[in-house]
Amino acid sequence: SQKIEQNSEALNIQEGKTATLTCNYTNYSPAYLQWYRQDPGRGPVFLLLIRENEKEKRKERLKVTFDTTLKQSLFHITASQPADSATYLCALSSRAGGGNKLTFGTGTQLKVEL
Amino acid sequence: GAVVSQHPSRVICKSGTSVKIECRSLDFQATTMFWYRQFPKQSLMLMATSNEGSKATYEQGVEKDKFLINHASLTLSTLTVTSAHPEDSSFYICSARGTGGRNEQFFGPGTRLTVL
Repeated sequence: SQKIEQNSEALNIQEGKTATLTCNYTNYSPAYLQWYRQDPGRGPVFLLLIRENEKEKRKERLKVTFDTTLKQSLFHITASQPADSATYLCALSSRAGGGNKLTFGTGTQLKVEL
Repeated sequence: GAVVSQHPSRVICKSGTSVKIECRSLDFQATTMFWYRQFPKQSLMLMATSNEGSKATYEQGVEKDKFLINHASLTLSTLTVTSAHPEDSSFYICSARGTGGRNEQFFGPGTRLTVL
C-alpha cells in the first residue's frame, strides 16, 4: 500500500541552526512533491513544490531536495527562528488522475527555541 | 495573491441538523477545489474533488449523500454535511487549484465543526 512517512516526533532545535525534516514514501511514483506549513487550528500554507525531474529547489531560507531513487525528500530551514515553529507537511501527487490529488504525510512538528 | 477563504470558521450544531461550509477563491479562478478533513493529530484526508460545473468525485469511503458538494462557479464551492452526527466533528479544510496548469493548492483557513 502507498505510504508517506514523516517523523512523528517533534524536532526541537536552537535558533539559528538548520532544521532538516524528512519525508519518505513507498509504492508511489510522484509527479511532484510539495511542502506545506500548518499552524494549530489553521489550514496549510504552501511553501515549495519540486517536480520528479528536479533534484533541489530553494526559496529564501528554505531548501527542498527530492531523491526519487531513495524515495525521499528533505526539507531544510536555515537560520531557523522561533517564528518557524509549526507543523510541516509533505504531500505527494501521483501521475494518476493528472496529478490532481495530493496525499499528505502526518507532518512533523518543529520547535525552534531561543 | 492566491487567497482562499472559508466560512464559517467555527460551527456548533445539534445532531441531525445540516451544516453548509463555503469555500471561496478571492483573487483567482479555481477550476478545481478540494475538500479535506483533518482529525486531531492526524493528517489531512482528501474527501472529494470538485470541478466547476460538474459532479464532485468522492474518495473511497466518503458518503456522497452525506457530504454534498456544489461547485457552482469558478470562485465558490460549498460542502454540506447533512444530518450531522458527533462523529462528523472535525476540521474541514478546502483548497483551490488555479488555472493555467499550476499544481500548487492554496488552502482555506479551515472550519471547525462540532456536532453535539
